[in-house]
Amino acid sequence: RKEVEQDPGPFNVPEGATVAFNCTYSNSASQSFFWYRQDCRKEPKLLMSVYSSGNEDGRFTAQLNRASQYISLLIRDSKLSDSATYLCVERGGSYIPTFGRGTSLIVHP
Amino acid sequence: SAVISQKPSRDICQRGTSLTIQCQVDSQVTMMFWYRQQPGQSLTLIATANQGSEATYESGFVIDKFPISRPNLTFSTLTVSNMSPEDSSIYLCSLSRDGANYGYTFGSGTRLTVV
Repeated sequence: RKEVEQDPGPFNVPEGATVAFNCTYSNSASQSFFWYRQDCRKEPKLLMSVYSSGNEDGRFTAQLNRASQYISLLIRDSKLSDSATYLCVERGGSYIPTFGRGTSLIVHP
Repeated sequence: SAVISQKPSRDICQRGTSLTIQCQVDSQVTMMFWYRQQPGQSLTLIATANQGSEATYESGFVIDKFPISRPNLTFSTLTVSNMSPEDSSIYLCSLSRDGANYGYTFGSGTRLTVV
């Protein structure tokens, strides 16, 4: 059974802090990885794709470690508006995704 | 990216009745999926909606309970049949474009309460 594991949190951090989430996956044949953000009572929305070389988008950095089978998301200079649930997603060759349970982030003043 | 219109956005239904949820996409997409999300939980894949053929259901979900239609590449419906309070959940449709680096786009969800 393909699994994607995340620490559910919540991660409770002050504004301006740097916070990192990890996500492990069991399917060594996984081809694509993504981080999604889900706000309360809303649908998930794509935050960023995760490339083998790593990628950065403003305050957000995603990394992929295939050898250890995990991906990470780093958020720098946290804002109150970053409070949400962050979902890790992996996709194998069938294009059917596997979602993690999500990591809750609470950024407080 | 593609835009999905999902409706209804919410409904309160009597047990024993059925509800059909619709998702309309503004462009043709190869793969569409239907998910269920219980409060505080992650997404559970119900089935992959295949155009012109029967949907592919995940373990624990059956066609009699969750019939799915996909008459073309822009539209799909999910019916929750013979509902019970345990079916109360958020139901989401999702699509994926071809290509490994394309993510998934979700409809805005249908909040179903069965009383």
